Amino acid sequence: AQSVTQPDIHITVSEGASLELRCNYSYGATPYLFWYVQSPGQGLQLLLKYFSGDTLVQGIKGFEAEFKRSQSSFNLRKPSVHWSDAAEYFCAVADQAGTALIFGKGTTLSVSS
Amino acid sequence: ETGVTQSPTHLIKTRGQQVTLRCSSQSGHNTVSWYQQALGQGPQFIFQYYREEENGRGNFPPRFSGLQFPNYSSELNVNALELDDSALYLCASSLPAGGQETQYFGPGTRLLVL
Repeated sequence: AQSVTQPDIHITVSEGASLELRCNYSYGATPYLFWYVQSPGQGLQLLLKYFSGDTLVQGIKGFEAEFKRSQSSFNLRKPSVHWSDAAEYFCAVADQAGTALIFGKGTTLSVSS
Repeated sequence: ETGVTQSPTHLIKTRGQQVTLRCSSQSGHNTVSWYQQALGQGPQFIFQYYREEENGRGNFPPRFSGLQFPNYSSELNVNALELDDSALYLCASSLPAGGQETQYFGPGTRLLVL
């Protein structure tokens, strides 16, 4: 069965520093991968997605993610974090039927000044 | 382009009651999915509706049911509410394409069961 693991429950980064959020997935075929962000009390906003092709994908708000099949990973990165990036980040993989998204438990990002 | 909307935003019910949550899909989208997000957890897939038919279901009991209407809006109904049903309920709309279409989420309905 497909699954997503986000090993870091909570990360604190200084404003202006770089960020990497980890995501590992379990999936037999080529995965469809997503990163969503959730601000407090809000729904989920799509940051970026990977379906095929270039393994480095660019998203909104300056985020990027790299798909590494050999490591079953899809880590999210940002070169310089802003205070407004503080939120909950979720990695997800589409299930084999193509209907459901399977989410990790999320990583809470705090930004210190 | 109108995004995904959900109503109500918040709801308080007591154990054993029934609740109906509503979702209007994004313009042009004919597929609606529902997710339950418990506190501190990632969203869990409840079911998906495509052209008014259930198109996939997660590991939720039958007391969770849904409807999709000809205008593609959708309802989630939960009968015999339990305390563990307290959660944020998220609706997402998309075009069906075997997983390659992005699901766009609404702001959610926060349900508290007392």
